[in-house]
Amino acid sequence: QSALTQPASVSGSPGQSITISCTGTGSDVGNSNHVSWYQQHPGKAPKLIIYDVSNRPLGVSNRFSGSKSGNTASLTISGLQAEDEADFFCTSYTSTDTPLVFGIGTKVTVL
Amino acid sequence: QVQLVQSGAEVKKPGASVKVSCKASGYTFTGFYMHWVRQAPGQGLEWMGWINPRSGGTKYDPKFQGRVTMTRDTSTVYMELSSLRSDDTAVYYCMRDGAKYSTGWYGDFWGQGTLVTVSS
Repeated sequence: QSALTQPASVSGSPGQSITISCTGTGSDVGNSNHVSWYQQHPGKAPKLIIYDVSNRPLGVSNRFSGSKSGNTASLTISGLQAEDEADFFCTSYTSTDTPLVFGIGTKVTVL
Repeated sequence: QVQLVQSGAEVKKPGASVKVSCKASGYTFTGFYMHWVRQAPGQGLEWMGWINPRSGGTKYDPKFQGRVTMTRDTSTVYMELSSLRSDDTAVYYCMRDGAKYSTGWYGDFWGQGTLVTVSS
């Protein structure tokens, strides 16, 4: 099972909005509502920020939002802040022998 | 509060086995599946499998079938990986599934990670 495709890096200035894409296939993102997003700071464990495409766990800022169209899921970070600088991964349930697949990760840089 | 505390770093030789533990607290242990995920240095995340702490049932990624065994006791889950190779060098995480009594395929709580280094 191939990893989901994400841009290697995305950058923005403080206060701006950025969007990270996560492209899969009809066997995963395109056919599943179990799409999630995680934020990972260097040397730390990942933190869940979006689950089931667009749901935010308690305590996660509403500056993070998720959506999906066809085989591509997206994470939007609005009002970019310095603390948002991190790696972001998407995941999706798949109907293949590997039921959970991860994106390759996107490094977000706050200029 | 929910906590997942993993065992410490390990250094193993090729061909050996490693067993990593993940002690859970702050919630009903049998109510939530536990996944194991690994991350090789500078790489993305890779799913290895899950265990249902209530029944002990497991599901493994075919890539690890035959080499990985996930078990549990009262409040701890374990992941044992055998026939270690250099490309098994990675940080191994336990990840609690966020859906109660089923698999929601997302991790709402994570262990701190355990670095396993395989080197001769």
